[in-house]
Amino acid sequence: NAGVTQTPKFQVLKTGQSMTLQCAQDMNHNSMYWYRQDPGMGLRLIYYSASEGTTDKGEVPNGYNVSRLNKREFSLRLESAAPSQTSVYFCASRDHWENQPQHFGDGTRLSIL
Amino acid sequence: EDKVVQSPLSLVVHEGDTVTLNCSYEVTNFRSLLWYKQEKKAPTFLFMLTSSGIEKKSGRLSSILDKKELFSILNITATQTGDSAVYLCAVSYSGNTPLVFGKGTRLSVIA
Repeated sequence: NAGVTQTPKFQVLKTGQSMTLQCAQDMNHNSMYWYRQDPGMGLRLIYYSASEGTTDKGEVPNGYNVSRLNKREFSLRLESAAPSQTSVYFCASRDHWENQPQHFGDGTRLSIL
Repeated sequence: EDKVVQSPLSLVVHEGDTVTLNCSYEVTNFRSLLWYKQEKKAPTFLFMLTSSGIEKKSGRLSSILDKKELFSILNITATQTGDSAVYLCAVSYSGNTPLVFGKGTRLSVIA
């Protein structure tokens, strides 16, 4: 039971570098989400995709882009990384239409120097 | 204004104590309320409640929803140090909107 798989688990970048965080789910969920979580703080939604082919901004979208590649995969891209983007990133998925629980990946710990 | 409010924000108890965590929410287009536990990793799902007055139970944890008063409680009996975590409440509203999370309650259980 893989559930939601995120890669990589850890990454260190220099300011200005770009990278893509990958997320895949094998539960046939229609909705997928990207969150960031800073130390001692709650989850903040970056972007989400309610269904294949759609994406929408969340609470903190600036500096990020997303791609819903297909029903399984939802990637998050940092075009020009900044130290303020140092955080733990969680991908999640859910069958929104069936009102099912949301499941999270294990997270990517990203440090930007 | 926050749509989902959890209280208390933090709590320290001794092993064996019983704790009650609270979550209140806005009513408009409510579908369900979910509880998650987050240790030093990703949140893990505990319960989902859709109907008022029906208790969900798993071992020492239980939860109930009051749709009239717009709140839910999560009870943990005979707490153990392994219960130390942040407990998150989230509400699902109708439409395409994502879950709305509260800020969480940080529970520390000391021996």
